[in-house]
Amino acid sequence: KNEVEQSPQNLTAQEGEFITINCSYSVGISALHWLQQHPGGGIVSLFMLSSGKKKHGRLIATINIQEKHSSLHITASHPRDSAVYICAPEGTDKLIFGTGTRLQVFP
Amino acid sequence: DTGVSQDPRHKITKRGQNVTFRCDPISEHNRLYWYRQTLGQGPEFLTYFQNEAQLEKSRLLSDRFSAERPKGSFSTLEIQRTEQGDSAMYLCASSLRASWEGSSYNEQFFGPGTRLTVL
Repeated sequence: KNEVEQSPQNLTAQEGEFITINCSYSVGISALHWLQQHPGGGIVSLFMLSSGKKKHGRLIATINIQEKHSSLHITASHPRDSAVYICAPEGTDKLIFGTGTRLQVFP
Repeated sequence: DTGVSQDPRHKITKRGQNVTFRCDPISEHNRLYWYRQTLGQGPEFLTYFQNEAQLEKSRLLSDRFSAERPKGSFSTLEIQRTEQGDSAMYLCASSLRASWEGSSYNEQFFGPGTRLTVL
């Protein structure tokens, strides 16, 4: 069993839809990171959280440490949100990456 | 641009050749990480440095791989006797590892990556 499981693996949406990506992990962590990777490889850090909820613009990330689960939500999705979203729990000073969720938002 | 930079961005080499990649982190960052990513997969941890000290190496890092961060600034990753299975994107990230009121902060900033193709 993988240490990090993301669902769904692929997601398509119409512009304006509310998006949820889920992440479950089995390791003990100090924090959990959500990353965005665009075609061509560039990775951008979206959130780093260790409890509760964080919000940046249309993006919201939540984490439940007891249940070892985190979610990333995108409100009012837009075609420019199309990317791979990667959940990465932080173990002992290093990140353990999920395989990512490929999101495509159509106009 | 004061972000993380990597050089070269692309490298094509023949099997058996040696290659070296360079990463320049954000200047005040004390941590530097190397990751490898193959097509359709998430990145995998290779190794990381705190200043000039290499603190951990993954089991993925065979003895053909070596990494250095000689002055605690830029880092190099060398692959000797490359194999076709080494073909991947090699990503570098840096962070300013800090602790505050019992919590740790380690937000990582990624470079654009070096794409290696071994023929």
